Amino acid sequence: EVQLVESGGGVVQPDTSRRLSCAASGFIFGNYAMHWVRQAPGKGLEYVAGITYNSGAADYAEFVKGRFAVSRDNARNSLYLDMNSLRDEDTALYYCAREVRNSNNVGRGFFDQWGLGTLVTVSS
Amino acid sequence: EIVMTQSPATLSVSPGERATLSCRASQSISSNLAWYQQKPGQAPRLLMYGASTRATDVPARFSGSGSGTEFTLTISSLQSEDFAVYFCQQYNKWPQWTFGQGTNVEIK
Repeated sequence: EVQLVESGGGVVQPDTSRRLSCAASGFIFGNYAMHWVRQAPGKGLEYVAGITYNSGAADYAEFVKGRFAVSRDNARNSLYLDMNSLRDEDTALYYCAREVRNSNNVGRGFFDQWGLGTLVTVSS
Repeated sequence: EIVMTQSPATLSVSPGERATLSCRASQSISSNLAWYQQKPGQAPRLLMYGASTRATDVPARFSGSGSGTEFTLTISSLQSEDFAVYFCQQYNKWPQWTFGQGTNVEIK
């Protein structure tokens, strides 16, 4: 069974840092691009960042560029999101999501597996 | 940024009736559109991709259509388990992927 389990959320002060983790199991993690999507309380979904299956490329939504960094450790089946200079508007439930791939491990742009999320609350 | 606009925000439907949800893109995205269903306290579930291809195990009562800027998700006969929030997502160019704000399908 595919599982994605996020951790690392909590209450943090503005302008501080936090690392989120996503532990994957039940599939060959190193074959898939992985992403972070967030959802502010009572709001819609917002794409944050993603990384290719082999860490060859990573990219970000404009509103987190320069502040967040996504990485992965295929040996540990883990995805990470390092968040710096946190702002009130970064308060959200952060989901880890697996991108559907083709036979060459190229991502197709949409997500077939999601975790349950980890809540980050930025507040003084 | 491509803005995805979903309508209506809330759709009140009786069980057994048809539900039609709309999603509009601010510029053409070809057929690079996915639909997700989200129930309270749960992660989103992929329903549709390529605008009209059902994901694995999605019942045939769900259908998708459209291309370019106008898209529709239709649920032909609503079942109790279909009452949820539905999001569309465009994946035209990474990382500028964006989601709509959602349509809440509620029991009438």
